[in-house]
Amino acid sequence: GENVEQHPSTLSVQEGDSAVIKCTYSDSASNYFPWYKQELGKGPQLIIDIRSNVGEKKDQRIAVTLNKTAKHFSLHITETQPEDSAVYFCAVNFGNEKLTFGTGTRLTIIP
Amino acid sequence: DTGVSQNPRHKITKRGQNVTFRCDPISEHNRLYWYRQTLGQGPEFLTYFQNEAQLEKSRLLSDRFSAERPKGSFSTLEIQRTEQGDSAMYLCASSLEYYGYTFGSGTRLTVV
Repeated sequence: GENVEQHPSTLSVQEGDSAVIKCTYSDSASNYFPWYKQELGKGPQLIIDIRSNVGEKKDQRIAVTLNKTAKHFSLHITETQPEDSAVYFCAVNFGNEKLTFGTGTRLTIIP
Repeated sequence: DTGVSQNPRHKITKRGQNVTFRCDPISEHNRLYWYRQTLGQGPEFLTYFQNEAQLEKSRLLSDRFSAERPKGSFSTLEIQRTEQGDSAMYLCASSLEYYGYTFGSGTRLTVV
């Protein structure tokens, strides 16, 4: 089946520290792994994504790492700021047109 | 282009009534997706259009749900005979390829 598990469900981090969120997936045919940030009352916003032929991708304070052998990928946020507080979702494209989302991580940055 | 636009933002309806939501995608995007999101969960796929053709429908999309995308531009999602279990956020997204979705802000439906 097409399953995505995301951990942790909640995460509190002191401002300036790093945050890591991990997702595991079920199907090795997966080829696209995006991360979305969702603020209250808004739709999900794409913040970074990675394709299956790349192991790591970085964009300023945000990075995503992919381990296809172990079927997991992670979001890393460094030097966290209060505006990073939101719900983060990982998603997987299992070789078709749709995305299957994880259950989300509520990240709280403590000033 | 200001992104994906969804209307209305909120809809409260009585059980048994019909509702229709509209999505205006980014103009050059040929792919359009509908997702549903309930509280505390990630979005779940409902259906997908490429241009005007509806190419995939989830089993979540019962026969009370219908979606259209006339002329490959805006799309509408209609729910007939609404039930309390239909209460959710309905999200629309568009893209040029299967990756790089842009989501709208959603329509929050409350069935009372």
